[in-house]
Amino acid sequence: AQTVTQSQPEMSVQEAETVTLSCTYDTSESDYYLFWYKQPPSRQMILVIRQEAYKQQNATENRFSVNFQKAAKSFSLKISDSQLGDAAMYFCAYRSGGSQGNLIFGKGTKLSVKP
Amino acid sequence: DSGVTQTPKHLITATGQRVTLRCSPRSGDLSVYWYQQSLDQGLQFLIQYYNGEERAKGNILERFSAQQFPDLHSELNLSSLELGDSALYFCASSAQGGEAFFGQGTRLTVV
Repeated sequence: AQTVTQSQPEMSVQEAETVTLSCTYDTSESDYYLFWYKQPPSRQMILVIRQEAYKQQNATENRFSVNFQKAAKSFSLKISDSQLGDAAMYFCAYRSGGSQGNLIFGKGTKLSVKP
Repeated sequence: DSGVTQTPKHLITATGQRVTLRCSPRSGDLSVYWYQQSLDQGLQFLIQYYNGEERAKGNILERFSAQQFPDLHSELNLSSLELGDSALYFCASSAQGGEAFFGQGTRLTVV
């Protein structure tokens, strides 16, 4: 079975600085997807970024980028120029490829942004 | 707007009662997932349906059941409710190879 591990329950960053959230996963599959979701205090689940396992290039979405290390099964999220609105819970997620893939979440990292 | 609709948004009920939560997935999405999130906790996977059939089951209690109908909407039934069932229940849907999109959630309070 696949597992997703986020080893940092809480992180803190100064506004305008850069922070990296860690995520590791375990799988024997070759076809899968990885995601980072953000959950602000409103508790809405918002997709931040996605990465296909077959792509070597790291995904980037504006200030958010990932460091995808397939061999190490690592998928970290880097937030540059942190803003107060980035304060939230961040969940790393794994999904098997194909049309029926399950979606598995890590336990989350609570990010605080200090002004 | 994610395109996933959950109703009701809020629900308050007494212990021992039964409730039904409804989810309408994004148009064309065949997979529906249900998650439970207690206060300050992660997302607990309950169950997944794909095109009307149960695809995967997580730590779903026997008091809970779900189904996906021919029009692809899904319902999660919670019975013999206990105080500990109070939580935010999310539904998500996805297409093949795509990310999951989440509804706003149903906030269930059992009193």
